[in-house]
Formats: sequence, structure tokens, C-alpha cells
Amino acid sequence: DTAVSQTPKYLVTQMGNDKSIKCEQNLGHDTMYWYKQDSKKFLKIMFSYNNKELIINETVPNRFSPKSPDKAHLNLHINSLELGDSAVYFCASSQDPDTRRDYGYTFGSGTRLTVV
Amino acid sequence: QKEVEQNSGPLSVPEGAIASLNCTYSDRGSQSFFWYRQYSGKSPELIMSIYSNGDKEDGRFTAQLNKASQYVSLLIRDSQPSDSATYLCAVNTGFQKLVFGTGTRLLVSP
Repeated sequence: DTAVSQTPKYLVTQMGNDKSIKCEQNLGHDTMYWYKQDSKKFLKIMFSYNNKELIINETVPNRFSPKSPDKAHLNLHINSLELGDSAVYFCASSQDPDTRRDYGYTFGSGTRLTVV
Repeated sequence: QKEVEQNSGPLSVPEGAIASLNCTYSDRGSQSFFWYRQYSGKSPELIMSIYSNGDKEDGRFTAQLNKASQYVSLLIRDSQPSDSATYLCAVNTGFQKLVFGTGTRLLVSP
């Protein structure tokens, strides 16, 4: 069983399009995240949700809108895609890091987004 | 100053040697620290976590933490070619987020 699953794995789209990436975790974790990994492999947090509530929004353009219908799902919708949005997007989940400080994140397999 | 700093490498070691990976962080309030391994084209996978000063050992891996110096390291004993990957240091600064370093690329030659 896949612990954190993301779809699609690859996404190639034209500038200006709108696309969504879906993420689901079956670990029973309370917190889910979206991270962006750029071409230099730097992983930067975008959003975190705890039990469907937005906790962190790291100055991400409002073209990016996360949605968490329940604590097992966190989707990412991107409007008006730009060339600079090309990157690998990782979903992750964890137990509440404030109560389990030694507990790391489990990452999904990533979605490679290419905007042409 | 970056929140979490790592030497990008590559760090090249021969098979069987000890690989030493280092990381410094800027936030003194950081509570816990993690090492992730990422193979090319794959997702990061957790290797070790540590939150108390000193050493923590797990198999061939030893994590070391010195909060006074704001320094975390990972030692890999008996390095194998399969250990060749990028190693990411991550710091829990509170506020429910992990901040990652840019990673150190490790190359283990047979």
C-alpha cells in the first residue's frame, strides 16, 4: 500500500492553462504539506494543513490554491500556469509536529510539472 | 543567511570509507533535526532524526547534534555505492514546517 500517493506523476502543459495535482495519505497523519523542488533541488515549503485547516502559506502566488476536503487529502490547483512554475511538487504528511518533534515527514513520489 | 546550510558537494569517498556530511542552522529555537536521502528522480526518504545533543546511531548511520554550535552531522560507515545520493538536512523550527538545506551530493566509488 502506498503511504502518500500523488497524481499525476508527470504533467506537461502550456502556459496559461489551469491544472490540479491530487494527494492522498493513508497513514492517519494529521498534517499534510506541499513542497516545491526547483531545478537546483532546493525543497521549499508552500503550504501546510492540519486537520483540513490551513496553517502555513509561504508567500506563494495566489494562482496556487490548496484544498483539503478531509485530513487524508490535500490537492493543489494552479491557475494561469507560467514557465517559472516548472518544478517537482511533493506532497508530504506527518503526525502533528508540535506533539511529535522527532517525527519526520513521509513524502509522495512527486509530480514533475513542465510548463511549455 | 540561509536557514539551513549544507555544502553542495559532490563529496567523493571510496567504498568502505566513512562519509561525513555536515549541516548548520541559524534558528537557535530549532527543536528537531532530520536527515533525508534522495536518489535522482525519487522522493526524499527519512534516514535519521535527532533532537538531543550527542550521537544517535542506527546501523551504519550516526547522527550528531551540537545545539550550542548549531551543527548537525551524519556519518555513514562502510559506505557503499548504493549510498550515492543527495543527502538533505532538515530542521524543525516550530511553526509546523521543516526547513531543508540544499543537500550534499555523495558519490561512493567502487
